[in-house]
Amino acid sequence: DTAVSQTPKYLVTQMGNDKSIKCEQNLGHDTMYWYKQDSKKFLKIMFSYNNKELIINETVPNRFSPKSPDKAHLNLHINSLELGDSAVYFCASSKREASKLFFGSGTQLSVL
Amino acid sequence: AQSVTQLDSQVPVFEEAPVELRCNYSSSVSVYLFWYVQYPNQGLQLLLKYLSGSTLVKGINGFEAEFNKSQTSFHLRKPSVHISDTAEYFCAAYGSSNTGKLIFGQGTTLQVKP
Repeated sequence: DTAVSQTPKYLVTQMGNDKSIKCEQNLGHDTMYWYKQDSKKFLKIMFSYNNKELIINETVPNRFSPKSPDKAHLNLHINSLELGDSAVYFCASSKREASKLFFGSGTQLSVL
Repeated sequence: AQSVTQLDSQVPVFEEAPVELRCNYSSSVSVYLFWYVQYPNQGLQLLLKYLSGSTLVKGINGFEAEFNKSQTSFHLRKPSVHISDTAEYFCAAYGSSNTGKLIFGQGTTLQVKP
């Protein structure tokens, strides 16, 4: 069983559309994250949730809204997609804050 | 500013040769240091970590790293690389305020040639 799974793996969409990426972890971890990896492979944290509570919210446009229905799930909804949103988005989880991260395999988002 | 700097964006090396991937961190980040590897089209996997104790840390796949506080470095080494080591390598550290924010370096592409 995959520890951190995210869907879809690829997402191609038009500018202005709204899309969601789902993430689930079966490790029993309390903390989940969303990271964005740009075309130069630079990784930057977007959000972090601990036990369904938002604890890190970097300077990300309001069009991005994370939702954690329970501590095993952290979804990312993006409104009014823009060309600059094209990137690979990684979900991750950890047992607690500031410990080893387990990453999903990524969602490659292409906005046309 | 909190930062982690990887000094080489690409490192080409022949199979069975030794390799060192360099990483420096700013004093404003914690000394919880990590190396992650990203194989093509995959997520990141932890190679090794330094939290405290011995400054020489051994990880998976024959990699090791040495924490050097005076030089604020955490370089990754392997004495003999394989083709399968071709991947992107990321050095990372937690912010000093221990907010749980893992800060990544820019990544180093290791290209192992036959």
